[in-house]
Amino acid sequence: EAGVAQSPRYKIIEKRQSVAFWCNPISGHATLYWYQQILGQGPKLLIQFQNNGVVDDSQLPKDRFSAERLKGVDSTLKIQPAKLEDSAVYLCASSSGLSSGNTIYFGEGSWLTVV
Amino acid sequence: GESVGLHLPTLSVQEGDNSIINCAYSNSASDYFIWYKQESGKGPQFIIDIRSNMDKRQGQRVTVLLNKTVKHLSLQIAATQPGDSAVYFCAESMSSNYKLTFGKGTLLTVNP
Repeated sequence: EAGVAQSPRYKIIEKRQSVAFWCNPISGHATLYWYQQILGQGPKLLIQFQNNGVVDDSQLPKDRFSAERLKGVDSTLKIQPAKLEDSAVYLCASSSGLSSGNTIYFGEGSWLTVV
Repeated sequence: GESVGLHLPTLSVQEGDNSIINCAYSNSASDYFIWYKQESGKGPQFIIDIRSNMDKRQGQRVTVLLNKTVKHLSLQIAATQPGDSAVYFCAESMSSNYKLTFGKGTLLTVNP
């Protein structure tokens, strides 16, 4: 079974530029998550989708971050304009449903460096 | 706010020894707990989980213990191998929101 796919793996941009990350979840997984992981810390949830609807985006900095999952399958996370503190790994994850106990599987992450 | 934390940020063990990684959680309403392993440059990898109606669960070479009285979670790795070297995260969630909250992680180093 294919895992969660993410691209690009690495990106370096200057502050105030924009960047977009793409995620394709495990086939059939209805729930998709975007996490931000700053070096040395645990992942922090940015946004959670159930199919193409947003379940939780309370920790998404909406002035600069946006995410969509228009057809309920793959998803895009955008940052515009980027700040130095956005340097982090952006992890996409998916699970089969919203029940506690449905294993959440992570992708390899997209590493962002803002200079 | 509620958080999940770890007692020991680093742990160094000899190959073949047993490892114990500890985690304290503060949200008494959490009812599902997971341990993830994260190797350098990779995403978190699911190891084992446990629901709040259990106090112990065993997998292959790993055991998770849950003590709800003191809100403590531990991961035991038997016969630790060099390939076990990684950062280990505990995470918690509640049935009401299904949102995972991660701790800061423990770096496990296995010396050959």
